Amino acid sequence: QKEVEQDPGPLSVPEGAIVSLNCTYSNSAFQYFMWYRQYSRKGPELLMYTYSSGNKEDGRFTAQVDKSSKYISLFIRDSQPSDSATYLCATIISYSGGGADGLTFGKGTHLIIQP
Amino acid sequence: DSGVTQTPKHLITATGQRVTLRCSPRSGDLSVYWYQQSLDQGLQFLIQYYNGEERAKGNILERFSAQQFPDLHSELNLSSLELGDSALYFCASSMSSYNEQFFGPGTRLTVL
Repeated sequence: QKEVEQDPGPLSVPEGAIVSLNCTYSNSAFQYFMWYRQYSRKGPELLMYTYSSGNKEDGRFTAQVDKSSKYISLFIRDSQPSDSATYLCATIISYSGGGADGLTFGKGTHLIIQP
Repeated sequence: DSGVTQTPKHLITATGQRVTLRCSPRSGDLSVYWYQQSLDQGLQFLIQYYNGEERAKGNILERFSAQQFPDLHSELNLSSLELGDSALYFCASSMSSYNEQFFGPGTRLTVL
């Protein structure tokens, strides 16, 4: 079982729709959660960063974390063709003695917003 | 623009060769991370440096090594290159281990 599971898609929706992207993780030691957007062969761009269960909103984006079910989501409202990209969820373990490893990524979901 | 710079953008080399990838972190960031992205494996963490010292290791091969210099820029050295090493290599930086990581534009390595 992979540590972070993410449906690769592609997910195709019409412009203006609400998009829901999801990841599940297996290790309860993961405590910090991120969503990145990656355009083709470019560097990942950080969209959301959160460390607690619940919702965090930033503009058209809402990140949701449910640590009890090990489930994280990203919602995009009023989707635009420019939102077409690959969306990567990522998480990181924090250790009791301090420090952390690098990010563990899902494989990414390819999102297509149709004009 | 994340503020993280990487050079070169593209690198084409032959099997058995050695290459060096360079990364400059965002101003004020002390941590540098290296990641490899291939089509089949996705984004994989290789190694982290914090203020000049190695802090964490991921799936880094023994043929690969890295270092972080006093001015905080970092270099990733890849030696005895194989066809399977062809990938995108990203550098990311953050203030510390728990802060957000910001990625550079990447170096595309092609091994022929």
